[in-house]
Amino acid sequence: NAGVTQTPKFRILKIGQSMTLQCAQDMNHNYMYWYRQDPGMGLKLIYYSVGAGITDKGEVPNGYNVSRSTTEDFPLRLELAAPSQTSVYFCASSYSMTANTGELFFGEGSRLTVL
Amino acid sequence: GESVGLHLPTLSVQEGDNSIINCAYSNSASDYFIWYKQESGKGPQFIIDIRSNMDKRQGQRVTVLLNKTVKHLSLQIAATQPGDSAVYFCAETRGQAGTALIFGKGTTLSVSS
Repeated sequence: NAGVTQTPKFRILKIGQSMTLQCAQDMNHNYMYWYRQDPGMGLKLIYYSVGAGITDKGEVPNGYNVSRSTTEDFPLRLELAAPSQTSVYFCASSYSMTANTGELFFGEGSRLTVL
Repeated sequence: GESVGLHLPTLSVQEGDNSIINCAYSNSASDYFIWYKQESGKGPQFIIDIRSNMDKRQGQRVTVLLNKTVKHLSLQIAATQPGDSAVYFCAETRGQAGTALIFGKGTTLSVSS
């Protein structure tokens, strides 16, 4: 199984540009998450989704948008990129948070630099 | 505000020692906690979890202890090995039906031979 796949792995953006970070999982997981991790820091939740058509804001949603049209895909859109959005972005998925285990499966991360 | 955090940013131990990594949480409504390990350049990996109706849970070489009275969580690693060197995060569930997983700042564990 591929698990959670993120693309691109690296990207450099200019201030004001827009882009979409792609995330796909092949585990038929209902729950999907986007986190950002600044250097030396913990992970901050941006947005999450509990199923197709349902999304909700996390801790730091400003400057980002998401959609969940299918169970497999959960893209993260950055509009008008700013230097403060320079970070490593992790997508994760889980079967359930209230079942026997809420284990999240993480992708390898997408390193974004905004100059 | 409410947060999940860790007491110490770094912990250095000798190979073979037992390691204890601590975490304090402030949301008394949280009912599910998870410990993750993150190696350099990789995404976090699940280690062990515990629900609020438990005080202790054991895995392979790891034990998680939960003290709800003082809102404290700890991860104990027995016979620490160099491969255990990583950043360790505790996380708690929040949000509707506990679906949002919120991470603390992390503790860097360094194991020397």
